[in-house]
Amino acid sequence: NAGVTQTPKFQVLKTGQSMTLQCAQDMNHEYMSWYRQDPGMGLRLIHYSVGAGITDQGEVPNGYNVSRSTTEDFPLRLLSAAPSQTSVYFCASSYWGTGATDTQYFGPGTRLTVL
Amino acid sequence: DAKTTQPTSMDCAEGRAANLPCNHSTISGNEYVYWYRQIHSQGPQYIIHGLKNNETNEMASLIITEDRKSSTLILPHATLRDTAVYYCIALNQGGKLIFGQGTELSVKP
Repeated sequence: NAGVTQTPKFQVLKTGQSMTLQCAQDMNHEYMSWYRQDPGMGLRLIHYSVGAGITDQGEVPNGYNVSRSTTEDFPLRLLSAAPSQTSVYFCASSYWGTGATDTQYFGPGTRLTVL
Repeated sequence: DAKTTQPTSMDCAEGRAANLPCNHSTISGNEYVYWYRQIHSQGPQYIIHGLKNNETNEMASLIITEDRKSSTLILPHATLRDTAVYYCIALNQGGKLIFGQGTELSVKP
């Protein structure tokens, strides 16, 4: 298994540009989520999904859209990038939610800079 | 989910046991204690979790006090590769994994 993969690894955008961060997993996990991590800070939950067709907001959802059309993929869209969205983005997945027996598996991250 | 409190940073000598404390005084009966770590620039990695009983796996041991208000993660023989930020998280079934600031552990030669 490749686990959780994220593309691209690095990205530089100009203010106002849009882009999609890709996340895929091959473990047949129902639950997927996106986090951002600013320098020197902990991770903050952006959006999550408990299965195909179902998404919900986390702690910091503003400025981001998600959709979940398949079990494997959970893309994160920035509609109009802002410098405040400069961060490292991590995708994670688990079998179901973050319940008692559900280990979260994290991807390697996408490092995004918005100028 | 209950709030957890951890020291900001700790040092440990290589080869010695690293004992990382976590306070979770408001934890409820159905909340588990999870530990993750994040090595510099990488995605977080699951370490261990427990409810009431002490737990051990190939990476670490988790000691939970009888009243469940605090716990300790033990890395029995810390190596330089264990230098990371360690997160203690209280979580119930179906809860969202919310990270705090964690403890920055530095393992020194």
